[in-house]
Amino acid sequence: AQKVTQAQTEISVVEKEDVTLDCVYETRDTTYYLFWYKQPPSGELVFLIRRNSFDEQNEISGRYSWNFQKSTSSFNFTITASQVVDSAVYFCALSGTQGGSEKLVFGKGTKLTVNP
Amino acid sequence: NAGVTQTPKFQVLKTGQSMTLQCAQDMNHEYMSWYRQDPGMGLRLIHYSVGAGITDQGEVPNGYNVSRSTTEDFPLRLLSAAPSQTSVYFCASSLTRGQGKTTQYFGPGTRLTVL
Repeated sequence: AQKVTQAQTEISVVEKEDVTLDCVYETRDTTYYLFWYKQPPSGELVFLIRRNSFDEQNEISGRYSWNFQKSTSSFNFTITASQVVDSAVYFCALSGTQGGSEKLVFGKGTKLTVNP
Repeated sequence: NAGVTQTPKFQVLKTGQSMTLQCAQDMNHEYMSWYRQDPGMGLRLIHYSVGAGITDQGEVPNGYNVSRSTTEDFPLRLLSAAPSQTSVYFCASSLTRGQGKTTQYFGPGTRLTVL
């Protein structure tokens, strides 16, 4: 069975601090995809990144960076110099190839609050 | 493109009532799905479809029906609403098959309350 664990339920930081959101996953598939979605207070789900299991390169996009480590089954998300607009719930998700690569399994989310 | 649209945005039902949540996409995506989001639970897959005429159950299908008569539309039907179905419902779609085509894009959600 596939599983995604986001151990941090809530995180509170002060603006300009760096913050890392943890994501640990379990899967028996050799090919799989990992995702991060952002859910701001307005409620919509915003796609941030997709990473496939064969690509362990870390990725940076502006203030966002992602660290994928297959050895520890982790796909962590770091926000550098956080801003109030980063306040949201962040979800890590996994899809595999068994039973359809499109079925997403979500973690329970981490609520990030960035205080001014 | 309008992307993935959902109607209504909010709905209040009484126990035992039925209703249909609408979902449509104009991106010619083959794959569509329904999730529910409950506090502290993340999102859980209800039903999904890999193309017109094909549907299958997800993790929490009980109490819901779906059909996929066209590529664009994927309605979710609540047959006899129960308070346990109070939730926020998200529809999602994606291209399917082939590397790099598995990103799912979500609609704005429908907030359903069952009294």
